Amino acid sequence: GAGVSQSPSNKVTEKGKDVELRCDPISGHTALYWYRQSLGQGLEFLIYFQGNSAPDKSGLPSDRFSAERTGGSVSTLTIQRTQQEDSAVYLCASSPARGTETQYFGPGTRLLVL
Amino acid sequence: QQQVKQSPQSLIVQKGGISIINCAYENTAFDYFPWYQQFPGKGPALLIAIRPDVSEKKEGRFTISFNKSAKQFSLHIMDSQPGDSATYFCAARRGGADGLTFGKGTHLIIQP
Repeated sequence: GAGVSQSPSNKVTEKGKDVELRCDPISGHTALYWYRQSLGQGLEFLIYFQGNSAPDKSGLPSDRFSAERTGGSVSTLTIQRTQQEDSAVYLCASSPARGTETQYFGPGTRLLVL
Repeated sequence: QQQVKQSPQSLIVQKGGISIINCAYENTAFDYFPWYQQFPGKGPALLIAIRPDVSEKKEGRFTISFNKSAKQFSLHIMDSQPGDSATYFCAARRGGADGLTFGKGTHLIIQP
């Protein structure tokens, strides 16, 4: 079946602009995660959704970052007033339910802030 | 604060050899330790995982060794093949929490 999909696959933006990154989880998966992968920094956890609620926002690096999930499915990660240090690959993952350990990752969105 | 430390950063192994990647953690609340494999341009994929109540888990050519007292765990790839060339990440998760804490990754190259 279809895996986690993310769009766009690549995004180039200018410093100060806002960007929206989209994640479509695997159908029926109730848990959704956002991570950021920066060169040399590995993967950093950003936020977790169970259904439409976000019980864990601990990884969001600043108040310029926000995320929402609607209908228990699609999620959008928004970065306001982008900075060059926001350049990274943003990865989305989903799992069937909270407590289900395997997280299935999408291919990521490569964001470049000029 | 880096909660999961991974080494080496890069590794070159001859075809047929054993690849060994090590990780160490500090937080004793971690209760789930997966390894992910990532190919260029792709998202990470779960390879194998272990819980701290066992010392070893084997799936095919891949084995996790876990040392709870030392707070260390390692991935062994037996009979390494060129198709195993990828970046490998260890990770850990706290009980009751759901975000994974990742190591910084190991770039593995298997030479034919």
